[in-house]
Amino acid sequence: GQNIDQPTEMTATEGAIVQINCTYQTSGFNGLFWYQQHAGEAPTFLSYNVLDGLEEKGRFSSFLSRSKGYSYLLLKELQMKDSASYLCAVMDSNYQLIWGAGTKLIIKP
Amino acid sequence: IAGITQAPTSQILAAGRRMTLRCTQDMRHNAMYWYRQDLGLGLRLIHYSNTAGTTGKGEVPDGYSVSRANTDDFPLTLASAVPSQTSVYFCASSEQGFDTGELFFGEGSRLTVL
Repeated sequence: GQNIDQPTEMTATEGAIVQINCTYQTSGFNGLFWYQQHAGEAPTFLSYNVLDGLEEKGRFSSFLSRSKGYSYLLLKELQMKDSASYLCAVMDSNYQLIWGAGTKLIIKP
Repeated sequence: IAGITQAPTSQILAAGRRMTLRCTQDMRHNAMYWYRQDLGLGLRLIHYSNTAGTTGKGEVPDGYSVSRANTDDFPLTLASAVPSQTSVYFCASSEQGFDTGELFFGEGSRLTVL
């Protein structure tokens, strides 16, 4: 079956750096997405990786290794507003999105 | 403000009742989707539509139906609600279906079936 694994919850300190991992096993691969979802709100797009390597976008970076079935989202200079759930999703060979359950990130002052 | 509008935002419903969740987008996106989000699970696709006039079944379609009479509207109907359909429902859209484009989500409809 298809599977996306990510930690359920992580805690980090304001101003620090945190890495949220995502591993996947899917039938084919057409890219990996990261979305941010604040409590009670809609998910919003953060990043898309289809080639191996690191994509940087401001304080957020996303890394992909297709051979390892692995990605991470790196958040730098953490702010209280970064407290949210981070959803990893993989697009399989049929262009269907398979979603992880999300990682709840708690930022402490 | 451009985007996706869902209604109602919250609803409590008796089991056995019929319910339609409304979704409207003004971005002229071809593809639209309905997902449900349950605690501890990833988003699960219920139904989708790649273009007006066409619909398809997702991962968990049983008990739900959709229609796509035009580009903007994509209502989701629960013909006879059951408690297991208690969930948060998100409507989403993308420029094209089955491509690698970003999804835009509505604010969600929280449904409780008693």
